[in-house]
Amino acid sequence: SQKIEQNSEALNIQEGKTATLTCNYTNYSPAYLQWYRQDPGRGPVFLLLIRENEKEKRKERLKVTFDTTLKQSLFHITASQPADSATYLCALAPAGNTPLVFGKGTRLSVIA
Amino acid sequence: DVKVTQSSRYLVKRTGEKVFLECVQDMDHENMFWYRQDPGLGLRLIYFSYDVKMKEKGDIPEGYSVSREKKERFSLILESASTNQTSMYLCASSPGWPGEKLFFGSGTQLSVL
Repeated sequence: SQKIEQNSEALNIQEGKTATLTCNYTNYSPAYLQWYRQDPGRGPVFLLLIRENEKEKRKERLKVTFDTTLKQSLFHITASQPADSATYLCALAPAGNTPLVFGKGTRLSVIA
Repeated sequence: DVKVTQSSRYLVKRTGEKVFLECVQDMDHENMFWYRQDPGLGLRLIYFSYDVKMKEKGDIPEGYSVSREKKERFSLILESASTNQTSMYLCASSPGWPGEKLFFGSGTQLSVL
């Protein structure tokens, strides 16, 4: 069956460290993968999109990798801050023109 | 900035009531979506629309219908609300193709008693 899994439901990390979140997928061949941030009681906000031919993408303190062989994306936040505390969702489109399917999210807590 | 507005942040309804959830986007996006989000289940797609008067079923359409009479407005209808439809409902829109990045509204927390 098709699955998109974010391995950790919750992740606690010390301020200043790098947070690494994992997204694995099974029986999909996505052309790209996306990451969103969601704060409590709010809708998700788009962060980054990475295409299958891009190994890595960066935006300020964020870095995303995409390994189509491992069927995995890693999402890194460097020099993490308490303000980075939120739930992070990965998402992919099962086929080129189909709506996104989301992972269940990882709740990140950055402790001062 | 793209704005996706959902008409209510919180809504409390009785079992059997007909419920309308409204969503409006202001950026002329082609595609609009309704998801529901439940603890432990994540975001699940109910319906989507890629054009005015067009609609497509998502993964969990049972008990719901939608209406898109104008490009900017996408309504979710619960014909006869049930307690298992208590959830956070999120509307989203995207330009271009349906798998492009989504712009979400703030959500409607619906409680059916």
